[in-house]
Amino acid sequence: NAGVTQTPKFQVLKTGQSMTLQCAQDMNHEYMSWYRQDPGMGLRLIHYSVGAGITDQGEVPNGYNVSRSTTEDFPLRLLSAAPSQTSVYFCASSYAGARQGRNGYTFGSGTRLTVV
Amino acid sequence: GQQVMQIPQYQHVQEGEDFTTYCNSSTTLSNIQWYKQRPGGHPVFLIQLVKSGEVKKQKRLTFQFGEAKKNSSLHITATQTTDVGTYFCAGTRNSGGSNYKLTFGKGTLLTVNP
Repeated sequence: NAGVTQTPKFQVLKTGQSMTLQCAQDMNHEYMSWYRQDPGMGLRLIHYSVGAGITDQGEVPNGYNVSRSTTEDFPLRLLSAAPSQTSVYFCASSYAGARQGRNGYTFGSGTRLTVV
Repeated sequence: GQQVMQIPQYQHVQEGEDFTTYCNSSTTLSNIQWYKQRPGGHPVFLIQLVKSGEVKKQKRLTFQFGEAKKNSSLHITATQTTDVGTYFCAGTRNSGGSNYKLTFGKGTLLTVNP
């Protein structure tokens, strides 16, 4: 069981470039989310999905797009990278409802993105 | 929008001392979760609390959910160097103990002096 797999682990972009952060899970989780983590800011929700074909915005969605064509994959697209998007990005997945002993999100190992 | 506030931001203790972090929400939560993130790592789920006044224990860790379901705490007894990391609380307003639109606090960074 791989859990939640994020690629790449590290990326440097130039301002204005676009890219896609990949996220895949093999646990048949309904929910998937993208968070960004900045020093002193905790984890802020960018976009989330409650199932294939369904996505919605979180707290800080501007500059990012998502799609969920399958249960397993939830890519995050940066449309035109800006230095303010320098951050650590975490993808996470979970079951939709409460499951005894298996609640909570499983996080990927993160993508460290620098925009210069 | 929903806000989850966490204090303190930092806590440094001597090994063997106790540690507590507090979480407060501006709105009533349906459930609260706690996560631990080791330095350079990713958040790892610790526990979920659903019921008003609920108390759960995991070895030296005690988790509480307030009667009004607006606050929570994590207490570690006799800290060890392995407890080092950032502890996050996270809450959701959706019913049924689900993880819909989970909002995280900013976390408490715990360092332990051996």
